[in-house]
Amino acid sequence: GAVVSQHPSWVICKSGTSVKIECRSLDFQATTMFWYRQFPKQSLMLMATSNEGSKATYEQGVEKDKFLINHASLTLSTLTVTSAHPEDSSFYICSARDRGIWANVLTFGAGSRLTVL
Amino acid sequence: GQSLEQPSEVTAVEGAIVQINCTYQTSGFYGLSWYQQHDGGAPTFLSYNALDGLEETGRFSSFLSRSDSYGYLLLQELQMKDSASYFCAVDNNNDMRFGAGTRLTVKP
Repeated sequence: GAVVSQHPSWVICKSGTSVKIECRSLDFQATTMFWYRQFPKQSLMLMATSNEGSKATYEQGVEKDKFLINHASLTLSTLTVTSAHPEDSSFYICSARDRGIWANVLTFGAGSRLTVL
Repeated sequence: GQSLEQPSEVTAVEGAIVQINCTYQTSGFYGLSWYQQHDGGAPTFLSYNALDGLEETGRFSSFLSRSDSYGYLLLQELQMKDSASYFCAVDNNNDMRFGAGTRLTVKP
């Protein structure tokens, strides 16, 4: 089945630094990838939709200059949290959408737990 | 705008049947999905309904009524391992938006 690899699985950083999270589709080409943020025991909040070769579409209230998303290829999307602050601490999870008959299914990465000190 | 409503918590015993409802409001609609997420894990796909009716996959079934903007996930013969959060999600082709999730606790 489809597999999405997300790294790192957890990261601790100091306030003011930047952190990059990678999301790779391993055995399929993902024209669309989604980035979500999840607080403990809460829902998956869509941050942005990332389409290969074009600028990401950000949800209202998500700062595009703070959460930089790049989808440079059909198998890789990255999320960079710039100048991280403690309130950015959260679980970030990516998902990829396949094509054809599997386009209805989102395959999720394992998530990245970010802690900003 | 878009909104999805589902119960926040459900508790049931092993072997029982549970139905988790989801109502939605959306400007565009292609289908309704259900995902399962265990604590600390990633969501995993359970089902997708694009057309009205019931889809059955083993112990899990999912139903959709497009005219009522309503769907449900039916879990039969509950097992302890089914304790998890269950999310409905609306596919509007451009993106996939999730409900707040229903936390299912299965007791012995």
